[in-house]
This record gives sequence, C-alpha cells and structure tokens, in this order.
Amino acid sequence: AQKVTQAQTEISVVEKEDVTLDCVYETRDTTYYLFWYKQPPSGELVFLIRRNSFDEQNEISGRYSWNFQKSTSSFNFTITASQVVDSAVYFCALSEAVEGGSYIPTFGRGTSLIVHP
Amino acid sequence: DSGVTQTPKHLITATGQRVTLRCSPRSGDLSVYWYQQSLDQGLQFLIQYYNGEERAKGNILERFSAQQFPDLHSELNLSSLELGDSALYFCASSKGGTGVNTEAFFGQGTRLTVV
Repeated sequence: AQKVTQAQTEISVVEKEDVTLDCVYETRDTTYYLFWYKQPPSGELVFLIRRNSFDEQNEISGRYSWNFQKSTSSFNFTITASQVVDSAVYFCALSEAVEGGSYIPTFGRGTSLIVHP
Repeated sequence: DSGVTQTPKHLITATGQRVTLRCSPRSGDLSVYWYQQSLDQGLQFLIQYYNGEERAKGNILERFSAQQFPDLHSELNLSSLELGDSALYFCASSKGGTGVNTEAFFGQGTRLTVV
C-alpha cells in the first residue's frame, strides 16, 4: 500500500491562480516527519519544507504555505499567485523509523504542476 | 545548490557493463542515501549509510552495491546492467540518520542510460 498518496497526477493553472497540491500519508508511528520537494525541469530535487509530527502549526513562506492536519493524515501545499517558474513536479515524502532506527523518506508519485502564462 | 555533489551527471553504457556513481555529501553530513527515479517506479529508496556503515536497505537489487568511505563520500556500483536500470540516480545527505536530523538534501542526480 502506498504510504504517501498524491492523488493529483497533473495540475494545470494560469499564472496568478492559487493552487493546492494534496498529500495524504499513512503511518502507525507517533513520531514521523513530512517533507515537500520540488523537481524543476532541470531535474534536481529541491528541499522545500520539513514538518514534525508533533507540530501541527501551519507554515507560510512567501507565496508558499503548508497545511498539516493529523486528523486527516494530510499535508497539503498551497502556492498563492502562481508563477511560470513554479512549473515543476512536487513530491511529498514521509520519513518514519525503519528496522535499525533510521528514518527513511518515502516519496509519493509526485504532482506535475504546469503554470501557463 | 544543495551542497551534495554527484558525478558523473550523465552516463551511457551498454548492457552487461558495470558503472560506479559517486556522491560527496554536504559538509558535516554523516548520512548518505541513494534513490533511483524511474517513470514507472517513481522515487525508490535503495540504501542508506551512516558514518561509513550500512544502516538501512530498500529495494536494492543484488547486482547493485554501495559503500561509504572514511571521508564520507559514497559510491553506488551497478553491475550486469540491464535496459531497465536506465534511470536517474540520486544521492542525498543529512546530518544524521534519525529523527529531525533526517532532513535530506539531494544532489543533481546521475542520469544513467543503458543501451
């Protein structure tokens, strides 16, 4: 079963629109970490944010905001006033303990965001 | 720039061959992770090393192996290559291997094409 589900495969918007990327995760652990990464067309994976399971405070960074809700196991990402440069594949990841104690990020399949001018 | 360096950026090789991918982690990071990204499988965790020791194993084939050296750089060895091994291979590093220190920063990746 998928531990991280990004149900939206592709989203297409016009510049200046707001867009929300959904992420639903599954874990039995009480301590875990959630991440968002951006993969632009150039291919590198860029770290955007980390959230701890014990901190449900939402976060805003410029045009980016994240809504973490443990009750629904969701960690959604909103881009306000989207720009063409936001076009990329966005990955949500869950890091939980595995055998041996390491925390390993497991990634969703990603959401491709296309922002048209 | 994440501070994680991967070489080479691109690699084209024939089936049956062996290649080595190299990764230098961010300064101060002790943990290195290897991931494979392909269209059909997405981003798959392969293996993790922490301060020179293997810590966790994911979906890594027996034909693949890795190691982390005393200077903390890591190498991923892929042998008896098949067409299906063509993928983008990422290395990531983090300060530690547990808890909050697992914030992972990724290199630019090595695109491997097996022909």
